[in-house]
Amino acid sequence: DTGVSQNPRHKITKRGQNVTFRCDPISEHNRLYWYRQTLGQGPEFLTYFQNEAQLEKSRLLSDRFSAERPKGSFSTLEIQRTEQGDSAMYLCASSLGRGQQGALNTEAFFGQGTRLTVV
Amino acid sequence: AQKITQTQPGMFVQEKEAVTLDCTYDTSDQSYGLFWYKQPSSGEMIFLIYQGSYDEQNATEGRYSLNFQKARKSANLVISASQLGDSAMYFCAMRALIQGAQKLVFGQGTRLTINP
Repeated sequence: DTGVSQNPRHKITKRGQNVTFRCDPISEHNRLYWYRQTLGQGPEFLTYFQNEAQLEKSRLLSDRFSAERPKGSFSTLEIQRTEQGDSAMYLCASSLGRGQQGALNTEAFFGQGTRLTVV
Repeated sequence: AQKITQTQPGMFVQEKEAVTLDCTYDTSDQSYGLFWYKQPSSGEMIFLIYQGSYDEQNATEGRYSLNFQKARKSANLVISASQLGDSAMYFCAMRALIQGAQKLVFGQGTRLTINP
C-alpha cells in the first residue's frame, strides 16, 4: 500500500452539475477525513469517519455535500448542484486510531487531493 | 475554539542556512498535539514533526526541530541546513480531543523559498 489515493486528480465541471470524488485510505487505517483547501489558505476540516460511521461534520458541509464510507474502506464525497464557490482542492487523509478517541500524536496521512474547478 | 496563526506569508532563505517558521496557537484545552506539514506544488501534505502538549523535550526529526514554548503558546519549526527541495508551503496544525473530535486545525501557511 503506497499511501492515500484520491481520484480524480483534477475535475472541471459546469455550475449546477454534480461531482463525486473518491478516496482510498491506507488499508489498515480506520479513520478517514475530508478537508477543503482554497487558494492561499490552509486546509479546513469538512468531515470525519471512524470505520463506516460519520462522527463529525463541519458547518462548512452544506446540504449539497454528502460523504459516505459504506464498508469502512474507501470514501466518496459528492457535491450536488456545484457552485463557483466550491472550486477548491479537496484533500482526504487517513490515520490509525485506537479506541474511540485514540492518541493525539496519530498523524494523518494525506492524499494528493482532487482539484475542483467549477466554471 | 482552537486557532493557529502563522504570521509569515513568505520566507526567502539562502541554501544551507537555517530557517525558523513561526506558529502560535490558541486553545483552552490542556491536552493537545501540534503538527507541521509540508505541501509541495504537487499538493500532497507531508507530515514533518509532532509535539505533544505534555512533552517536556522539544521534538526533533532529522533536520527538523520544533521550538515549543508552552507558556507563549508557540511551536516554531526550525529547519537546519536548508536545501533547494525544502521550497514549499509549510502548515502548522493542532489536534485536540474534545468530545471525540479528531480534526486538525491548520494555519494559513508560510511559503518557503530556498535560493541557491
